[in-house]
Amino acid sequence: DVKVTQSSRYLVKRTGEKVFLECVQDMDHENMFWYRQDPGLGLRLIYFSYDVKMKEKGDIPEGYSVSREKKERFSLILESASTNQTSMYLCASSDRGTSYEQYFGPGTRLTVT
Amino acid sequence: GQSLEQPSEVTAVEGAIVQINCTYQTSGFYGLSWYQQHDGGAPTFLSYNALDGLEETGRFSSFLSRSDSYGYLLLQELQMKDSASYFCAAMIYNQGGKLIFGQGTELSVKP
Repeated sequence: DVKVTQSSRYLVKRTGEKVFLECVQDMDHENMFWYRQDPGLGLRLIYFSYDVKMKEKGDIPEGYSVSREKKERFSLILESASTNQTSMYLCASSDRGTSYEQYFGPGTRLTVT
Repeated sequence: GQSLEQPSEVTAVEGAIVQINCTYQTSGFYGLSWYQQHDGGAPTFLSYNALDGLEETGRFSSFLSRSDSYGYLLLQELQMKDSASYFCAAMIYNQGGKLIFGQGTELSVKP
């Protein structure tokens, strides 16, 4: 059974803190994605990666960075968290060539105070 | 810019048929996906249309017209458990492929 896990379900951080969100998939997928989901805005792509050590900016990369040192793990980093980064963060993975079918993790609800 | 438009809310009764429309304005368009997300849950993949026409999967069908930049998701024999948000997403093929999501349609199924 396909599985994408995320390190935390809920996270509360203070403004200015460095935040790490981890995502692991067990499907040997090449592609991995980070989204944020806000009410009325749908899912917006932050960064994606189609191979180890490769990364591409999505639609809203500002204030974020990513790391992919191993195929199964994709990390999202908030260098200095701000209140406008309070959101639900969703990680997803897919096979190469089938990005239309993505498997999502349960999400991390991040609150920055 | 790249955008997808879908209604924000739809209400229907159990046993009925409902259609959720999606229009898109994108470059590098390859196809249209649909996802379902229950409250508090993760989005799950429902269907993908790369070609014009209707794709049927059980009670759910999805349609694409590339010439009209339009697609829809058709849900038949509605059940209470179909109450969820439904997202259309355009598959864009550059730099390995990515999805651009619409804002989502919240479907409420009433008894």
